[in-house]
Amino acid sequence: DGGITQSPKYLFRKEGQNVTLSCEQNLNHDAMYWYRQDPGQGLRLIYYSQIVNDFQKGDIAEGYSVSREKKESFPLTVTSAQKNPTAFYLCASMKVAGATDTQYFGPGTRLTVL
Amino acid sequence: GESVGLHLPTLSVQEGDNSIINCAYSNSASDYFIWYKQESGKGPQFIIDIRSNMDKRQGQRVTVLLNKTVKHLSLQIAATQPGDSAVYFCADLQDSSYKLIFGSGTRLLVRP
Repeated sequence: DGGITQSPKYLFRKEGQNVTLSCEQNLNHDAMYWYRQDPGQGLRLIYYSQIVNDFQKGDIAEGYSVSREKKESFPLTVTSAQKNPTAFYLCASMKVAGATDTQYFGPGTRLTVL
Repeated sequence: GESVGLHLPTLSVQEGDNSIINCAYSNSASDYFIWYKQESGKGPQFIIDIRSNMDKRQGQRVTVLLNKTVKHLSLQIAATQPGDSAVYFCADLQDSSYKLIFGSGTRLLVRP
């Protein structure tokens, strides 16, 4: 998975709870991304960050929050405001934001709301 | 709006045959495309990429063809193997916004 780690692999949450998904990369990549994938669907962008201490909303940011305090880390918090959080969450990184380059993905975290 | 889509949701091929997975895109300004392979329960894995100044690019057993006239992209897999069974996504990197736009994917099933 190209030096990108996500934890935990499986996560269970009760309704009304906030949970935080971890994403770490040791590739020295500038940009990091969070995607959500529902069964049989493609990937939808939640948030992305091009540099430390800066991030932008993607297409489905409502109910999610992120931080980028360190270059190698981009945690995603799924808040209680997210009404349908059960999904497969994928983190990705890219070497240089704005450059024609490939995004590399982590192994994913499967979140289930009980 | 901008979109990257696939023609067929499922493709079934005989082991040893060649596979062709198609993708259409709508943004004529797109200049970089990526094919990913995603196995069940795993993250997408980079297969091959192509820039708009190229028509064809080859990798190991894979070839990507780009037809800018009709805004069509294809992934060809030679001598398809059981390990090729997965969902394949094409994606368009939006340089201006640093985002990947994904299609819904094609599931490739390899019959023994």
